Amino acid sequence: GENVEQHPSTLSVQEGDSAVIKCTYSDSASNYFPWYKQELGKGPQLIIDIRSNVGEKKDQRIAVTLNKTAKHFSLHITETQPEDSAVYFCAASSYGANSKLTFGKGITLSVRP
Amino acid sequence: DAGVIQSPRHEVTEMGQEVTLRCKPISGHNSLFWYRQTMMRGLELLIYFNNNVPIDDSGMPEDRFSAKMPNASFSTLKIQPSEPRDSAVYFCASSLGGGPYGYTFGSGTRLTVV
Repeated sequence: GENVEQHPSTLSVQEGDSAVIKCTYSDSASNYFPWYKQELGKGPQLIIDIRSNVGEKKDQRIAVTLNKTAKHFSLHITETQPEDSAVYFCAASSYGANSKLTFGKGITLSVRP
Repeated sequence: DAGVIQSPRHEVTEMGQEVTLRCKPISGHNSLFWYRQTMMRGLELLIYFNNNVPIDDSGMPEDRFSAKMPNASFSTLKIQPSEPRDSAVYFCASSLGGGPYGYTFGSGTRLTVV
């Protein structure tokens, strides 16, 4: 089955700096890669996703890049703000009505004011 | 929409007791997922349903765990008997159309078994 790994497990940045969170996956059949953000006491929330037919996707201050050859994808957050502090999960899946997401273990991002 | 609603938010129970966690998915969503979150193992998929039918329960850890979805607006996850190692946060999520897209998670139930 799919195995998704995230590195590092924690990341601390200064407010206004950029943060990059990386994930690797094992199953070459995976072609859908979402990112979820979990704030304290809440469930994970989808913030951006990418499909294998594109290499990059942007939404305001966040972007995701995908390298299918190397089987890794990354979340980029620019101009970080304290409210970006949270746990970020990457996930991978193949397409299909019965496909399921495999999540990484999460990275705790801390943005220092 | 109120989102995915889980109850209770917190549950503390003694080892050996039965525990029932409840979930109300977003109206119109036809897929429902139960996840367990721990520090050691992260988010683990326990079981998921499409159109109220269990599709994959390979993540259910033992026979002590069971899940039902009697109708499109309600699901339960039951642990009987509970054990201390079941202590975790249990999340329910729902989505529209099946597949891995656009999961909406509830706020979770924090279960503590003492």
